[in-house]
Amino acid sequence: NAGVTQTPKFQVLKTGQSMTLQCAQDMNHNSMYWYRQDPGMGLRLIYYSASEGTTDKGEVPNGYNVSRLNKREFSLRLESAAPSQTSVYFCAARGAQWTEAFFGQGTRLTVV
Amino acid sequence: EDQVTQSPEALRLQEGESSSLNCSYTVSGLRGLFWYRQDPGKGPEFLFTLYSAGEEKEKERLKATLTKKESFLHITAPKPEDSATYLCAVQGRYNTGGFKTIFGAGTRLFVKA
Repeated sequence: NAGVTQTPKFQVLKTGQSMTLQCAQDMNHNSMYWYRQDPGMGLRLIYYSASEGTTDKGEVPNGYNVSRLNKREFSLRLESAAPSQTSVYFCAARGAQWTEAFFGQGTRLTVV
Repeated sequence: EDQVTQSPEALRLQEGESSSLNCSYTVSGLRGLFWYRQDPGKGPEFLFTLYSAGEEKEKERLKATLTKKESFLHITAPKPEDSATYLCAVQGRYNTGGFKTIFGAGTRLFVKA
């Protein structure tokens, strides 16, 4: 039982390049989330999907797009990477809204 | 404004030296307060959920408590393997019915043998 799996684990991009971060969960949870984590700051929500077929903006959505491909998979796309998007990105899945979230291992992204 | 503040930012303890981490919060319609542990290079791992003031939960050397304004994570006789960053998150509910989860910046705990 892998839980939440993210790929890749590490990535270096040049400014202006695009890439997609992949996330898959095997817990049959309805809700999935993308966060970024920066030094000295709490996890900040980029986008979330409350159920298959729906997505909504979080606190810091600018520069990102998402796709909820099916119940298992939720991807995050950077269309034109900027140095300000250098961060560690976490995908999470949750069952009921008032329960705990399960996180992936993270993707460390550096934009140069 | 909804916010979560954790203190201290970093805490250094000797093995066996008990202490507490603080999570102060302001949120409308608290639906739950969560504690997570995060090891370097890993994702947060769930520890506890507290739903109402006065509630307490324990797991090994950790005990979490909740009041209407803050939560404490008490660490009794810590060991080096307890070294990690501890994250607090609160979940509130909007009048519209939606939920929002806000994370604190975390407390980095170092336990020296």
